[in-house]
Amino acid sequence: EADIYQTPRYLVIGTGKKITLECSQTMGHDKMYWYQQDPGMELHLIHYSYGVNSTEKGDLSSESTVSRIRTEHFPLTLESARPSHTSQYLCASSAGTANYGYTFGSGTRLTVV
Amino acid sequence: QKEVEQNSGPLSVPEGAIASLNCTYSDRGSQSFFWYRQYSGKSPELIMSIYSNGDKEDGRFTAQLNKASQYVSLLIRDSQPSDSATYLCAVNVGTGRRALTFGSGTRLQVQP
Repeated sequence: EADIYQTPRYLVIGTGKKITLECSQTMGHDKMYWYQQDPGMELHLIHYSYGVNSTEKGDLSSESTVSRIRTEHFPLTLESARPSHTSQYLCASSAGTANYGYTFGSGTRLTVV
Repeated sequence: QKEVEQNSGPLSVPEGAIASLNCTYSDRGSQSFFWYRQYSGKSPELIMSIYSNGDKEDGRFTAQLNKASQYVSLLIRDSQPSDSATYLCAVNVGTGRRALTFGSGTRLQVQP
């Protein structure tokens, strides 16, 4: 079944640790996105990719980095986690044109203590 | 002014009634419009898309687009308690835009 997967679902980690949030999709979508969402708040775009070896920063300033070495895989890395990084991180993918909506993964809820 | 604006609610309607959710956007060049439903603690799921002026119906849901007035709305007929969620409006703002811009969502409560 075509889908988009995020791991871990929940993560509690100490300040200063390096973390990687995983996102994979089996739909063959070229476009992938990372959004950040605090409880009850809107989604903010932090990174996006239009294909392999193509990554760009989004609207929200973020200390995270991403890579896109394979079409299906779009991991997000925080080199040194801080309490201000505590949030929900949502990965999404879409087919080629602007007329397609996104399919979201189940999200990673990150808590930095 | 935000690019995509929604009333945060909560919008409370009785079971069986019509729920009307509204969204306005700032860029007249916007071309694609989407409604997502997000249950508490879950990720958004796409329920409707609309690209042309007028109405688009899908089951109990109707999306309405008025590009001249720059608003898009979602009607939910025969509302059910299971419809209680936050509804997010998303717009492909302008031309050549990188990604969808989301509104902050309207929380809908359907009272049994």
